[in-house]
Amino acid sequence: AQRVTQPEKLLSVFKGAPVELKCNYSYSGSPELFWYVQYSRQRLQLLLRHISRESIKGFTADLNKGETSFHLKKPFAQEEDSAMYYCALMGNQGGKLIFGQGTELSVKP
Amino acid sequence: NAGVMQNPRHLVRRRGQEARLRCSPMKGHSHVYWYRQLPEEGLKFMVYLQKENIIDESGMPKERFSAEFPKEGPSILRIQQVVRGDSAAYFCASSLFSTSAWETQYFGPGTRLLVL
Repeated sequence: AQRVTQPEKLLSVFKGAPVELKCNYSYSGSPELFWYVQYSRQRLQLLLRHISRESIKGFTADLNKGETSFHLKKPFAQEEDSAMYYCALMGNQGGKLIFGQGTELSVKP
Repeated sequence: NAGVMQNPRHLVRRRGQEARLRCSPMKGHSHVYWYRQLPEEGLKFMVYLQKENIIDESGMPKERFSAEFPKEGPSILRIQQVVRGDSAAYFCASSLFSTSAWETQYFGPGTRLLVL
């Protein structure tokens, strides 16, 4: 079965602390993995994707095929990082995205 | 580029009525996707369309739901005889046509449907 799991519904950290948002997936093949972010009152937007291997706003994510994970990390959280984060998978045929349930990140001052 | 446009942003219907949700993709994009987000859940894929073609409707409920993307005009998601369980946020996304299977999808602001 194709599935994306984000085990934490809410993650609360203090400003300057490291943050890791967990994402595990189940897919029989080599998918592409994405992280989307939704800031308050804004639309869902792409944060980063595996194939680009970029660091966006200080966030990185490494695909671990052995553990089938694509955790999102940032060494020093900022208050403006507070948002809803969704991990998503696209199969090797393209087309639909399969989303996790989302993790709400709250960065306290 | 105004991005993906959806209207209306909020829609209230009584049980048994019809709901029509519209999506205009980004300029130059020929692929459209519809997703539904129920309260407290993640986004769930419904349907993938190209101009005048349904490519993948594996996430569409078998009854009452239909989608189209005509040659001219926006994509339409139509829900007939709405029930309370249809209350959700409906998101549209679009992507470019290319030979790459993994085109990035860009999302609209969503339509919040409330069925009374």
